[in-house]
Amino acid sequence: SYVLTQPPSVSVAPGQTARITCGGSNIGSKSVHWYQQKPGQAPVLVVYDDSDRPSGIPERFSGSNSGNTATLTISGVEAGDEADYYCQVWDSSSVHRVFGGGTKLTVL
Amino acid sequence: EVQLLESGGGLVQPGGSLRLSCAASGFSFSSYAMSWVRQAPGKGLEWVSGIGGSGGNIYYADSVKGRFTISRDNSKKTLYLQMKSLRAEDTAIYYCAKDRSGYSIDWGQGTLVTVSS
Repeated sequence: SYVLTQPPSVSVAPGQTARITCGGSNIGSKSVHWYQQKPGQAPVLVVYDDSDRPSGIPERFSGSNSGNTATLTISGVEAGDEADYYCQVWDSSSVHRVFGGGTKLTVL
Repeated sequence: EVQLLESGGGLVQPGGSLRLSCAASGFSFSSYAMSWVRQAPGKGLEWVSGIGGSGGNIYYADSVKGRFTISRDNSKKTLYLQMKSLRAEDTAIYYCAKDRSGYSIDWGQGTLVTVSS
């Protein structure tokens, strides 16, 4: 089955840029989606189809996808961005939705 | 405003059954695929099952296939998850989600299922 690999944690100072990676075999051929989840809350979609943002999501959130790595980039990180972030794809081979293990973003 | 309200969670013994419901409002329910996603305590997200808008195109994670059944009643705008032969590892918050093109655009607040003797 298809596997997505994320770093367990990423730390960044306020105002800096956070980059959260999501690795998978030839992931560049798939559409990657990203969710933000704060403690005790349901996930929220922040990027879909590699780089599109739902309405209401700040432009500070952006995404890219190429080769074996997709990346969620958060520019000008704020304290309120501290959360767990999950990448997700649809694996057409297994007809399964697959989530990465999640990355905890800490704002120093 | 989209609202997804899960119910039916609770404490159940290993081997038992439970049916979760998700009442939807604020959108044309039958036009959207829906999914169940769960999260074990302190763990990440795990996709459980998905169903197309008309009730066809049903998919399951390997971990629940043969034990869980997803269904929907478009006249009642409600999504269901029938869970049987429950195991301790099924303990999780179960989220209902509204889907579009393979991802979830709106999520409910979840319902907790605890499998324990």
